[in-house]
Amino acid sequence: NAGVTQTPKFQVLKTGQSMTLQCAQDMNHEYMSWYRQDPGMGLRLIHYSVGAGITDQGEVPNGYNVSRSTTEDFPLRLLSAAPSQTSVYFCASSPPGARYEQYFGPGTRLTVT
Amino acid sequence: TQLLEQSPQFLSIQEGENLTVYCNSSSVFSSLQWYRQEPGEGPVLLVTVVTGGEVKKLKRLTFQFGDARKDSSLHITAAQPGDTGLYLCAGAPPAYSGAGSYQLTFGKGTKLSVIP
Repeated sequence: NAGVTQTPKFQVLKTGQSMTLQCAQDMNHEYMSWYRQDPGMGLRLIHYSVGAGITDQGEVPNGYNVSRSTTEDFPLRLLSAAPSQTSVYFCASSPPGARYEQYFGPGTRLTVT
Repeated sequence: TQLLEQSPQFLSIQEGENLTVYCNSSSVFSSLQWYRQEPGEGPVLLVTVVTGGEVKKLKRLTFQFGDARKDSSLHITAAQPGDTGLYLCAGAPPAYSGAGSYQLTFGKGTKLSVIP
């Protein structure tokens, strides 16, 4: 199993541009989440999904959209990038019966100029 | 809003020393996870503790969940350079929580450096 994969690894955007961060898992996990990690702020939940077709907002959802059309994929869309979205983004998944035990991807480091 | 405070924020020790890091809250959690994160990588789950007073051991690492399920500690015996990393604790809300009950609360982490 590849586990949780994320692409790209690094990305630089200009203010106002849009892009999609890709996340996929091959473990048949129901739960998937997106976090951002900023110095001094820890990991903060952006959006999460409890299964295909079901998504919900986390702590910091503004400026981001998600969808979950399949169990495997959970892309995160930045609608109009802002410098405040400069961060490291992690996708995570967790199995049925252990929703809080997160398996994290390697992260995407995003810089918005 | 549930908060988890981790201490110390930074810790630099010599190889072979023992250390303890703490994760404290005023809130009750149904379970608590510990993760280790190395630079440029995602956090990796080390352990989950569920029962108040529970102690789990993972080689030289000992994890304890407080009796009231509001706090936890991680003790490392004879630290090695390979233990270097950011240690994160994360608490899961009680089963009786309502909205947001799927959301983990993460602490900000303890950055550990073990010097050879």
